[in-house]
Amino acid sequence: GQQLNQSPQSMFIQEGEDVSMNCTSSSIFNTWLWYKQDPGEGPVLLIALYKAGELTSNGRLTAQFGITRKDSFLNISASIPSDVGIYFCAGQRGRLYFGRGTQLTVWP
Amino acid sequence: SAVISQKPSRDICQRGTSLTIQCQVDSQVTMMFWYRQQPGQSLTLIATANQGSEATYESGFVIDKFPISRPNLTFSTLTVSNMSPEDSSIYLCSVEGDIYGYTFGSGTRLTVV
Repeated sequence: GQQLNQSPQSMFIQEGEDVSMNCTSSSIFNTWLWYKQDPGEGPVLLIALYKAGELTSNGRLTAQFGITRKDSFLNISASIPSDVGIYFCAGQRGRLYFGRGTQLTVWP
Repeated sequence: SAVISQKPSRDICQRGTSLTIQCQVDSQVTMMFWYRQQPGQSLTLIATANQGSEATYESGFVIDKFPISRPNLTFSTLTVSNMSPEDSSIYLCSVEGDIYGYTFGSGTRLTVV
């Protein structure tokens, strides 16, 4: 299957700090999606990106669809304790392909 | 976006038995997807279920082990058959939204002992 390389694998940050994570692939995708998964829950969509170069914000979250269509990044500004969770990138080409996730821990 | 109800939310099962997971959507959808998430891992697509046709399975997953039903446009079931401890995972159903990406159920946490 398609490989999505998501990094970093985990992050430990202080409340108020900014966070950046990214996903790269050797394949082109039509859509990039970013999800957050809390313990015991299914993934919840944060941001969807549909066009190469697109930059989209959702509150403190900003994501971009890479110009080559092979990568995407997600930034979280001024992190808060409830940002804790696992963040997954997903590329869509017919079906979804998921990255391995970034485990975010926020210290108060 | 669609609201998905998935049952059971968790179960502990004896090896060799089978468990059927139900997924109910609050709107009609063409395709429903079943995923497996092994402990600490990402999501792996098991199969895609269209109403009125056989499910399409991904490489490494077979119908005898993971039979799927899709009797109508709002409901699907996934059965995990003849379970072994290696089947301990979170199983998730998902549907494609009209605009906002894919929506997931809250998952079924399965432990096989």
